Parts: sequence; structure tokens; C-alpha cells
Amino acid sequence: AQKITQTQPGMFVQEKEAVTLDCTYDTSDQSYGLFWYKQPSSGEMIFLIYQGSYDEQNATEGRYSLNFQKARKSANLVISASQLGDSAMYFCAMREGQGGGGADGLTFGKGTHLIIQP
Amino acid sequence: GAGVSQSPRYKVAKRGQDVALRCDPISGHVSLFWYQQALGQGPEFLTYFQNEAQLDKSGLPSDRFFAERPEGSVSTLKIQRTQQEDSAVYLCASSYSLLLFYEQYFGPGTRLTVT
Repeated sequence: AQKITQTQPGMFVQEKEAVTLDCTYDTSDQSYGLFWYKQPSSGEMIFLIYQGSYDEQNATEGRYSLNFQKARKSANLVISASQLGDSAMYFCAMREGQGGGGADGLTFGKGTHLIIQP
Repeated sequence: GAGVSQSPRYKVAKRGQDVALRCDPISGHVSLFWYQQALGQGPEFLTYFQNEAQLDKSGLPSDRFFAERPEGSVSTLKIQRTQQEDSAVYLCASSYSLLLFYEQYFGPGTRLTVT
């Protein structure tokens, strides 16, 4: 079973609109971290936002916020007031606590290709 | 400050050749990770170092893959007898903290093409 599922392979959004990128995850750990990364066509992975499993408040970083619904195992990324420069691949990732026996690295989803249209 | 750097940025190898990919992490970062990203996919974890100790190599796909970080800074990922399925972008990431849930900073990657 996939640990990170991103169900939207591609999305087209009008500039200045808000956009929600979906991410669901699967873990039996109580302690884990969820991350979102942006990968422009240049290829580098840019860290956007982090949410810990014990954090009660949803994380926010500027125009980025994470809609964390623990019971549903959902960690959607919300980008407010989208800009042309937001066009990129977006990856959701998880790192599990060591009690779960998972690898020490991040587990990534397949990504969502977001295109912002003027 | 300088970010994570990787060299070479592009590498073409003939099948059967050995290759070595270098990663210079951010100065002071104790944790270092290698990932493999196939075309159109998300990165997949290969291996993890904490300083010079390789604590997890569960993601290395075969014994042809070998990584080292002898002095706890620069790391090298070596692939012996390259195969076409090794063609991918190899990403290196570093993290300041030993904590599990600290963000990782990625380098630009090395695109390996095996012909």
C-alpha cells in the first residue's frame, strides 16, 4: 500500500485563485512529520511547510497553509492568491518515527503538477 | 549562505561503467540523505548518514550502490557496473538537526543517463 497518495496528477488554476492540493497518508506510527516540497522545472526541491503529528494548530507559512485532518489522515496544501511562479510539481512527503520501523528518509507521493494560468 | 551542491550536474555513462556522484551539504548539517528520482516520479529514499555513520541503507536498490561520508561532511554515492535502470536524477539533501522532523534542504541533483 502506498504511504503517501496524491490523487491529482495535474491541476490548472487561474492566477490569484486559491488552490488546494490533496495528500493522504498511511502510517501506524503515532509520531510522524508531514512535509510539502515544490519542484520547479529547474529540478531543485524547495521546502514549503511542515506539520507534526502532535501539532494541534495547522501550519502556515506565508501564502502556504496545511489543512491537517489527523483522523482522516489528510494533509492538504492550500496556496492562497496563486501566482504564475507557483507553477511547478508539488510533493507531499512523510517521515515516520523510528518506532514504526520505517526508513529514516522521507517517503514521497507521486506529485501534483500545478499550472497557474494568467 | 551556500546551499547543498552536487557534482557533476549531468553524467552520461555507458552500461557497465562505474560512476561517482558527489554531494557537498550545507556547512554544519549533521544529517545527509540520498534519494533517487525517476522521470515523472517522486524521489525515493536511498540512504542516510548521521555525521560519518551510515545509519540506514535500506533503500539502496542493489549491492552495486555504495555511499560513504568518511569525514562527516562531503558524501559520495558510487554506482558500480551501471545499468539502464539506474538512469535517474540523484538528489542529495542535508538537515541541521538530528531530530526526525526537521526540514531537509535539497541540492540540484545529478542527472545520470546510462546508455
